Amino acid sequence: DAGVTQSPTHLIKTRGQHVTLRCSPISGHKSVSWYQQVLGQGPQFIFQYYEKEERGRGNFPDRFSARQFPNYSSELNVNALLLGDSALYLCASSEQPLSNQPQHFGDGTRLSIL
Amino acid sequence: AQSVAQPEDQVKVAEGNPLTVKCTYSVSGNPYLFWYVQYPNRGLQFLLKYITGDNLVKGSYGFEAEFNKSQTSFHLKKPSALVSDSALYFCAVMLDSNYQLIWGAGTKLIIKP
Repeated sequence: DAGVTQSPTHLIKTRGQHVTLRCSPISGHKSVSWYQQVLGQGPQFIFQYYEKEERGRGNFPDRFSARQFPNYSSELNVNALLLGDSALYLCASSEQPLSNQPQHFGDGTRLSIL
Repeated sequence: AQSVAQPEDQVKVAEGNPLTVKCTYSVSGNPYLFWYVQYPNRGLQFLLKYITGDNLVKGSYGFEAEFNKSQTSFHLKKPSALVSDSALYFCAVMLDSNYQLIWGAGTKLIIKP
């Protein structure tokens, strides 16, 4: 079975642009979470979605938004990109939200802002 | 404030020797505890978790971790290190109030042949 897949793997943007990152969860998983991992740090929680609804939000500005589709895939959108948005963006899926079961991560999208 | 600390940025161990990667936490409520491993240019792979019960939990690749409630620690251990264990290791704590993960900054484990 395929794991969590993310696209694209790498992306280069300039300040002020916007970006859309995509994630397909493991088959049967209905919850998707997004994380930002800056080099040398642990992941920071951005959003969790379940059944197309936002179930959790981290401490990120409104420039960050996300959505989940009927097939449980998800998109993360970031507007007005800043240099500080350069990071590895990770998507994780789990069968249920609000559960102590481990999350399964994709390999991430490396976003570089010039 | 809720936090997870991995006090060592880097741990170096000779192949065949035991290894320990330390993790302590400061959270309210009853936490669930996790260890993940990250190889270069890859996502995070789940190693093991503590939810309740026996304080010593066993996970993937021969790793184990011991939950110590009084010391609020959850150290990762392996009796005999392999070169292939070299990677970045993250400790994470899940709050039972909202099920969100709080992550440590990571420890780079280097196993010398």
